Amino acid sequence: ELKVEQNPLFLSMQEGKNYTIYCNYSTTSDRLYWYRQDPGKSLESLFVLLSNGAVKQEGRLMASLDTKARLSTLHITAAVHDLSATYFCAGIYGGSQGNLIFGKGTKLSVKP
Amino acid sequence: ETGVTQSPTHLIKTRGQQVTLRCSSQSGHNTVSWYQQALGQGPQFIFQYYREEENGRGNFPPRFSGLQFPNYSSELNVNALELDDSALYLCASSPTPFWAEAFFGQGTRLTVV
Repeated sequence: ELKVEQNPLFLSMQEGKNYTIYCNYSTTSDRLYWYRQDPGKSLESLFVLLSNGAVKQEGRLMASLDTKARLSTLHITAAVHDLSATYFCAGIYGGSQGNLIFGKGTKLSVKP
Repeated sequence: ETGVTQSPTHLIKTRGQQVTLRCSSQSGHNTVSWYQQALGQGPQFIFQYYREEENGRGNFPPRFSGLQFPNYSSELNVNALELDDSALYLCASSPTPFWAEAFFGQGTRLTVV
C-alpha cells in the first residue's frame, strides 16, 4: 500500500529565502503530483512528474522526482508572500487517476 | 477555473441525516473522482466513476455511495451522517481514469452537528 509522507508539516519562511519541501513515498508510484491549496479553497495543480529524473519549474517553484529514492522535492526560490499556502504531494496507487494518495501537506507561511 | 463545479458550496446537516453533493465535470471528461478532506489533513479517495460505473473505491463504508449520469455529472450520497463526516468534499474530473492530471472543483464544505 502506498504511503506518502511530507516534511516539514509547517514551514515559516522569510521573503527572499530558499527552502525545500520533501515528499517520500513507500512503494512504486507511477506519477507524483504537487498541489497548492489556499485556505478554504480547492486544490490547484502545480506539477505532474511522470518519470525518474523529471524536473519541472514554474516561477519560483521547482519540483523534481527521484523514483529510485522514492523522493520528490518542491524547491522554493526567493519566497514571496503570495506563495503562502498549503502544499500537498500525492502519489498514484493502482494506476487509475482516482487512487491519488496524498501526504498531510506542508503549511507554508512567508513573512516579510 | 477548472470547469468543474460543485454544489452546494456549504451545507450544515444534523447527525443521522442524509446528504447529496453534486459535481459537474469539465466538458469532455468522463471520469469523476470524489475525495474527503478533513480539517488539517490531505484529501482521501472515496471512489471514482467512469462512464456511469464505479471504477474503484477507497476505505469508506457503504453509507457513502455515488452515481454518475449520462452527461458524466456525479452525485455523492452519504447516509446516516456522523460528526466525523464533517469535511471538505472535493470532486475531480479527468478525460479518462488514467489521465495524468485531474481537475478539482471548489469543494463542498459539509458540517455535521
